[in-house]
Amino acid sequence: EPEVTQTPSHQVTQMGQEVILRCVPISNHLYFYWYRQILGQKVEFLVSFYNNEISEKSEIFDDQFSVERPDGSNFTLKIRSTKLEDSAMYFCASRHNLYRGNTEAFFGQGTRLTVV
Amino acid sequence: GQNIDQPTEMTATEGAIVQINCTYQTSGFNGLFWYQQHAGEAPTFLSYNVLDGLEEKGRFSSFLSRSKGYSYLLLKELQMKDSASYLCAVMDSNYQLIWGAGTKLIIKP
Repeated sequence: EPEVTQTPSHQVTQMGQEVILRCVPISNHLYFYWYRQILGQKVEFLVSFYNNEISEKSEIFDDQFSVERPDGSNFTLKIRSTKLEDSAMYFCASRHNLYRGNTEAFFGQGTRLTVV
Repeated sequence: GQNIDQPTEMTATEGAIVQINCTYQTSGFNGLFWYQQHAGEAPTFLSYNVLDGLEEKGRFSSFLSRSKGYSYLLLKELQMKDSASYLCAVMDSNYQLIWGAGTKLIIKP
């Protein structure tokens, strides 16, 4: 069964450093998302990506964040100058299209980011 | 603003039935999802409702009333492995998923 894969599963970084979280969406999916979940809190939308550009982004997704689809398979989230409060689980998700029957978002297993 | 409410925690007994409610107020509606999330893991899809009524899938059923902004997830014949958080999420007019805080379900023997 196709799945969304994320690497690494756990990343520890020092405050102020840059991190890149990587995701490989399901191959025929067209819509890609990043979400984060701070420990014990709700899942929060960060950004959606379609047709090689950002389609929506939340207030959380400020200039510190960027996304890229550098090739036909990878979808990355870059966090510049990490802060302690960026520590969270980051989930990548992909969706085939928006029509009923194909609207399920498939999630990767997440990357746990710890900023120290 | 956009808001999704669900109980923080519920407790039920193995073999019993439990209903987890979700109410929502969002800018537009393109469907409501229920996801299951075990601690430290990614959410996994359970159900999707876009029309009023009940959708049944094995031990799990989900109901939607759009006029009331209300949904519930019904879990039957509870098993210990059903202990998890259950997340209600609504797709708004921009096709963004707006998430509830989740309901932690504790199953007791």
